[in-house]
Order: sequence, then structure tokens, then C-alpha cells
Amino acid sequence: QVQLQESGPGLVKPSQTLSLNCIVSGGSISSSDYYWNWVRQPAGKGLEWIGRIYTSGTTKYNPSLKGRVSISVDTSKNQFSLELSSVTAADTAVYYCVRGILVLTGGMRFDPWGQGSLVTVSS
Amino acid sequence: QSVLTQPPSVSGAPGQRVTISCTGSSSNIGASYDVHWYQQLPGTAPKLLIYGNNIRPSGVPDRFSGSKSGTSASLAITGLQTEDEANYYCQSYDISLSGSYVFGTGTKVTVL
Repeated sequence: QVQLQESGPGLVKPSQTLSLNCIVSGGSISSSDYYWNWVRQPAGKGLEWIGRIYTSGTTKYNPSLKGRVSISVDTSKNQFSLELSSVTAADTAVYYCVRGILVLTGGMRFDPWGQGSLVTVSS
Repeated sequence: QSVLTQPPSVSGAPGQRVTISCTGSSSNIGASYDVHWYQQLPGTAPKLLIYGNNIRPSGVPDRFSGSKSGTSASLAITGLQTEDEANYYCQSYDISLSGSYVFGTGTKVTVL
């Protein structure tokens, strides 16, 4: 059974870059069937999709993040990573890494989810 | 900003039936993209509850059901149980703004 686990600093200073890793276990990140995503959730608020990457390195990002986001994959380590630059307090959230399964009619469903990593942006 | 609108809260007594609506538009649900539902128990990560509008993953009780019509979708919980108290989110794909996966605003289900 596939499991995902986030890791990274819990505190980032304003204007700096947030970096998180997600290790995938119980399955190969190189599988052609899946995409690998990041989703975030500010405390007490809803979910926001950040972006996705395919094993080939092809990416798609949420336009609302205006070029601040970058997702990369390391198939040798079975992990993928998130970088979010120029962070502000508004980027404080729990960040989840999630496996995505494309739907034939378009779109994607997300399953499973990592347990989440709280990142606080503060000086 | 979520483009899928859900009621902030719904409640019911144990054994009752509750429904959660998810209202979208012609650029997401109305464009025939599937709707998926997630359950988020307190302090935990979301879990896939319904996919493809009305399909339950293995292990999800059959008291959960989904439907979709036009630009909206619904999640129904029949025979409400105390362990169903959680936040529920719908999710789909939106073709506007270069395309993006979008979530609903979320609904808190309270078991009275």
C-alpha cells in the first residue's frame, strides 16, 4: 500500500523559500499511472491545490501562485519536492503531498494523502 | 478562492440522512468533469470518500453516496453515525485560468 511522508523545516522567514520533500513508499514514483501533487490547507480553512508533477518531470501549477512554485521529482530516491519562493504569512499552512490518479473524462482524484507538514512563515 | 460552493455546516441526529451540496459552474462541474469527495476527520489528512461522482473506494461504508447533475453535485450520508462528524470537501477540475484542480469550500457535519 502506497504511503507518502512529507519532511522539511517547520519555520520559514518571510521573503525566503519554503522547501518540502515527499518520500513515496510501497510503490514506484515512476509508475505511468500517477501524478504527484502538493495541496495546502491554512489553519481552519479549506484545501488549495498547489501543483503536480509526472515521472517524466512534466509539471502543472495553480495559476494563483503566480510563478512562485516549483515542483521537482527524483526517481532514484522515489521522492518529489516543493519549492515556494517569496513566502509571506499567507503561505502558513499544512502542506500535504498527494498521489493523483487521472480520470478518463478529465480531471484527477487524490488518493492517498500524506499526513501533512505544518509550515509557519514568521520572522 | 474556491470556485465550488458548499454550505458551511449541516447537522443531524444519529440515524438521520444529511446531504451536502457542491455548486459549481459551466467551467468545472457543468463541463462534465467528475466530482470527488473527501472526508477530513479532526486533526487528520483528507481521505478519498467518493470518486467519479458516485463510486465508493473499497472500505467506504455504503451509507455514503454521491450524485451529480448539471453544475452541481451532492454527497448524502444515510444512517448518520457519530464517527461521521468531520469536514467534507468536494473537488473537480476547472478549465478556466489555464486549468486547475479545485476544491469546495468545505462543510462541517455535526452529529447532534
